[in-house]
Amino acid sequence: DADVTQTPRNRITKTGKRIMLECSQTKGHDRMYWYRQDPGLGLRLIYYSFDVKDINKGEISDGYSVSRQAQAKFSLSLESAIPNQTALYFCATSDRDRGAGELFFGEGSRLTVL
Amino acid sequence: GNSVTQMEGPVTLSEEAFLTINCTYTATGYPSLFWYVQYPGEGLQLLLKATKADDKGSNKGFEATYRKETTSFHLEKGSVQVSDSAVYFCALTPGFQKLVFGTGTRLLVSP
Repeated sequence: DADVTQTPRNRITKTGKRIMLECSQTKGHDRMYWYRQDPGLGLRLIYYSFDVKDINKGEISDGYSVSRQAQAKFSLSLESAIPNQTALYFCATSDRDRGAGELFFGEGSRLTVL
Repeated sequence: GNSVTQMEGPVTLSEEAFLTINCTYTATGYPSLFWYVQYPGEGLQLLLKATKADDKGSNKGFEATYRKETTSFHLEKGSVQVSDSAVYFCALTPGFQKLVFGTGTRLLVSP
């Protein structure tokens, strides 16, 4: 089983709908991240959380919200989806003791907004 | 600010060819540098890293040297295989656990 699990893996929705992408991890890491991948743009950070009570905006947080329900769970919500949020979304984790920059990624959630 | 610039792809090679993927960076302070690889349909995986100037990161036959004087961290492999076909991302962190990624370079290796 994957250490970082994302659900759903694929989702097609319509403009204006609320969408939640979920991430759970069994690595025991305290830090979790949501990234968005677009062709030609690489990965951009949406939100990150260094522990359950710590939530921080990344470089492209507008239109998104997150919830850290437990150390192992970090959800990303799109309150009212729009077509330019069509992208591949990745959850990642890291361990504060392992060193900066060593992230472990899930397999991604492909979201299409029509 | 912090940023990473990678060569545009795709890079197309025949099996056993020599690979170089260029990466240069702009950063405040003294960043750590990374190469991540994304195989088709998968998430990113850490390939190698270097934490200070002149360090060489290596893994699975890939190497990259942290060159502070040229602000570069080029990825090299002496003999690529078909199984190396993937997208490669250069990244940096200035030390507070937020990675800044380049745009990625797709490598296609043919038999």
